[in-house]
Amino acid sequence: GAVVSQHPSRVICKSGTSVKIECRSLDFQATTMFWYRQFPKQSLMLMATSNEGSKATYEQGVEKDKFLINHASLTLSTLTVTSAHPEDSSFYICSAFPVAEAFFGQGTRLTVV
Amino acid sequence: AQSVTQLGSHVSVSEGALVLLRCNYSSSVPPYLFWYVQYPNQGLQLLLKYTSAATLVKGINGFEAEFKKSETSFHLTKPSAHMSDAAEYFCAVSGGRDDKIIFGKGTRLHILP
Repeated sequence: GAVVSQHPSRVICKSGTSVKIECRSLDFQATTMFWYRQFPKQSLMLMATSNEGSKATYEQGVEKDKFLINHASLTLSTLTVTSAHPEDSSFYICSAFPVAEAFFGQGTRLTVV
Repeated sequence: AQSVTQLGSHVSVSEGALVLLRCNYSSSVPPYLFWYVQYPNQGLQLLLKYTSAATLVKGINGFEAEFKKSETSFHLTKPSAHMSDAAEYFCAVSGGRDDKIIFGKGTRLHILP
C-alpha cells in the first residue's frame, strides 16, 4: 500500500532554533498534503494544507510565519518550526489522501528545551 | 464544513464484553468516515473506513462500524473486548480525495480484567 514517510521521528532542539520536518510520499504523487499537531492526551488538530507549487493554506490561529510549509515537489512537503519555543513541543504528523484512503506519516515528536 | 463528535472521552468495558464507541458526524458532502486507533507514543493505525460502499464496514482486529445516514452516525463496535484493545480511538471525517481529514476529540478505551 501507499506509504508516507516522515523524518525525523524525534527531535530535541534548543529554544530559539528552527527545526525542519520532512514528509515524503514514497510510491505516489501528492499534490496535497496535510500537517497536524497533537498535544499530549488531545486529538489531532489540522494546522495547514500543503499545496504543491503554491502557498499553503493555514487553519485559523496557526501562525504561518512560525510554521513554514514548503511543498516543492509532488513527493515532498516540509514543515519548519521557526524560533521554536517550549510550547511548540508536540507531536507533528503529516498526511496525504491521494485516492480512497488517507495515509499518515509516523509522526515527529518535537521537544524544545 | 465537516465535524465529528465522539460521545464519551473515556469508556470502560470488561474483558470479553461488547465494545461500543460512538461517533456522530456532520458533513456538507457525502462523507468518507474513518476510525483510527493510537497506542501511547505511537502514530495512527487505520481500523476501518467507509467510502460510500457497504454501510457495514469490517475492519481489523474484529472491529466493525455501521454508517447510518439518517442518524449521521458511524459507531464502532467489537463483540468481545481484549486487553490489547486498550488505546485511544479517533473517529474522523473527510470529503474524499485530497480533502482534509477532521478528527474527533478521541475516546480512551479502558479494558477491565
